[in-house]
Formats: sequence, C-alpha cells, structure tokens
Amino acid sequence: GNSVTQMEGPVTLSEEAFLTINCTYTATGYPSLFWYVQYPGEGLQLLLKATKADDKGSNKGFEATYRKETTSFHLEKGSVQVSDSAVYFCALSDPAGGTSYGKLTFGQGTILTVHP
Amino acid sequence: DVKVTQSSRYLVKRTGEKVFLECVQDMDHENMFWYRQDPGLGLRLIYFSYDVKMKEKGDIPEGYSVSREKKERFSLILESASTNQTSMYLCASSSDRGGIYEQYFGPGTRLTVT
Repeated sequence: GNSVTQMEGPVTLSEEAFLTINCTYTATGYPSLFWYVQYPGEGLQLLLKATKADDKGSNKGFEATYRKETTSFHLEKGSVQVSDSAVYFCALSDPAGGTSYGKLTFGQGTILTVHP
Repeated sequence: DVKVTQSSRYLVKRTGEKVFLECVQDMDHENMFWYRQDPGLGLRLIYFSYDVKMKEKGDIPEGYSVSREKKERFSLILESASTNQTSMYLCASSSDRGGIYEQYFGPGTRLTVT
C-alpha cells in the first residue's frame, strides 16, 4: 500500500533561515503529491501540489519538486517568517480516474516553529 | 470561497454516549472524508463516501459509522464513545478537477471522551 514518511520533528528556526522538510513516499504508479499546512487552531490548507515527475509545486515562497527517481517531495523555503510557524503534512493520492476517489495518505506531520 | 464546515469545534462526551459529528460542504463535491488526527500519527482515514448513500471503510473504521443522505452532508457516528476515541476529527471533500483531486478541509472538531 501507499505510505509517506516525513523527517522527524519538531523543527525550530530563526527568522530568515532556510527551511527543508524531507518527505519520501512509497506508491505504485504515478501518485499526485501534496504539501498541506495547518496553522494553530485551524484545519488543513493545501500549500502546493505536483502531479508528475519533475513537476515543481510552489506557493507563498515554498517549493517542492516531484522526484520519481528518489521517490521524494521535499519542501523548501529560502527565508522563513514567524508567520510560517505551523504543522506541515506531506501527502499523496492515486491519480484521478480510478477507484481511490482521491483518498490521501499522510505523513506524520512536522511542527515548524520560527523565532524572531 | 470554498467552504467545509463542521458542527462543533470542541465537544466533551462521556464514555458510552452516542456521538454525532456533522460536516457540510458547499462545493458540490462528490467525495467526502473523515480523518482523525493524533500527534505523531498524522491523519488517518476513518471512512469516506464517493456518492450519496455510498461509503467505504478507510484505515481505522472500527468503532465508527457514517451516514450520507445528502450530497453536501457527511456524518460521523461514534456508536458508543470510548476514551481512546479522544482526538481531533477532520472532515474533507474533493472532486476530480482535471485529473487531480484536491481535498478541502473543515476546521476540525476536538472531541474529548471522559
């Protein structure tokens, strides 16, 4: 079955530091890959996505590239802000058109804290 | 603006009570999901529904049931609440948009069973 593994957390950074959160996956075929973010007290929001090999998803200064050869989708940001403090989830789903109906398989989440 | 709403943000119930968690989406999505979120475990799928009155078990369905009588509404039922069901419950909906499903989440219900 599908599985997603995220780097161990929590991660604590100073403002303007470089961020990397590692994510690797196991899946058959060509899944769609996602990063979701959960701010304190809120539900999950889609941060970025990629649907095929070498696609780069980007949003709000965050980027992640779909690497088929290493089955990875690492999240990066060049300069984090205090407002980026949140929990980040890597997830995958089977492509549309099958019987998965877009079920997501999540990693365990990484807590990011950014200090001024 | 797309919206998924959940009936309660916080809920406290006693062991053995029957608990209903309601979820409503206004995006005309076919698919709806219930997850529970626990620290260190990420989100785990309890049940999902791909059409009215259709449902399938997810990864951890034991102790739960669901109901989907209308397209926009998906209910999670704890038939007899237990303390190990204390958790954050998240509802989501999605639809096929050009070959990819994007899930939209509600704000969550934090359930405490005492």
